[in-house]
Amino acid sequence: AQSVSQHNHHVILSEAASLELGCNYSYGGTVNLFWYVQYPGQHLQLLLKYFSGDPLVKGIKGFEAEFIKSKFSFNLRKPSVQWSDTAEYFCAAFTTSGTYKYIFGTGTRLKVLA
Amino acid sequence: GAGVSQSPRYKVAKRGQDVALRCDPISGHVSLFWYQQALGQGPEFLTYFQNEAQLDKSGLPSDRFFAERPEGSVSTLKIQRTQQEDSAVYLCASSLAAGDISYEQYFGPGTRLTVT
Repeated sequence: AQSVSQHNHHVILSEAASLELGCNYSYGGTVNLFWYVQYPGQHLQLLLKYFSGDPLVKGIKGFEAEFIKSKFSFNLRKPSVQWSDTAEYFCAAFTTSGTYKYIFGTGTRLKVLA
Repeated sequence: GAGVSQSPRYKVAKRGQDVALRCDPISGHVSLFWYQQALGQGPEFLTYFQNEAQLDKSGLPSDRFFAERPEGSVSTLKIQRTQQEDSAVYLCASSLAAGDISYEQYFGPGTRLTVT
């Protein structure tokens, strides 16, 4: 079955530290990958997405993610985090195999200390 | 409205009661999704509508769950004879196009259901 795994459940960083959140997917066909963010008290919103082409994808607020097909990974990175990046981050895969739906990981709670 | 709205925002139900959760998608959005998010978990797909047609309901956990979108806009998720394991946040999302994931999903604020 298709699945998305996020191995870091809670991450605490100081401001200006670099961030990398892991995401692995299991899916054999064409894969479309997303990172969503949920700031405290707000809706889920899209950070970035990968469909095809350049495996390094840039999103909003200085975030980027790299699709590595051989590792089935789509890790999220930011060179220097800010206090305002404190949020929960979800990796998701879109599948069209027999259906049309998004599969989300369990999420990573990031806390950035000022 | 400017975004996806859901009502009520919070619902407390006694075990065995029926509940109805409403989603108002962004006007003109063709696709509508329902998700269930249990505490500490990511959203899990429940069902998908393209206009008024329910194209996928594979994620509905039991026959107590029923969703409809009769006129292709507002959708209602109904849970009959609620159980404690139904306690979760129920998220609705809409997207402009059908079958084209280049269009972003826009999420609502969710309805937090607590079954006592």
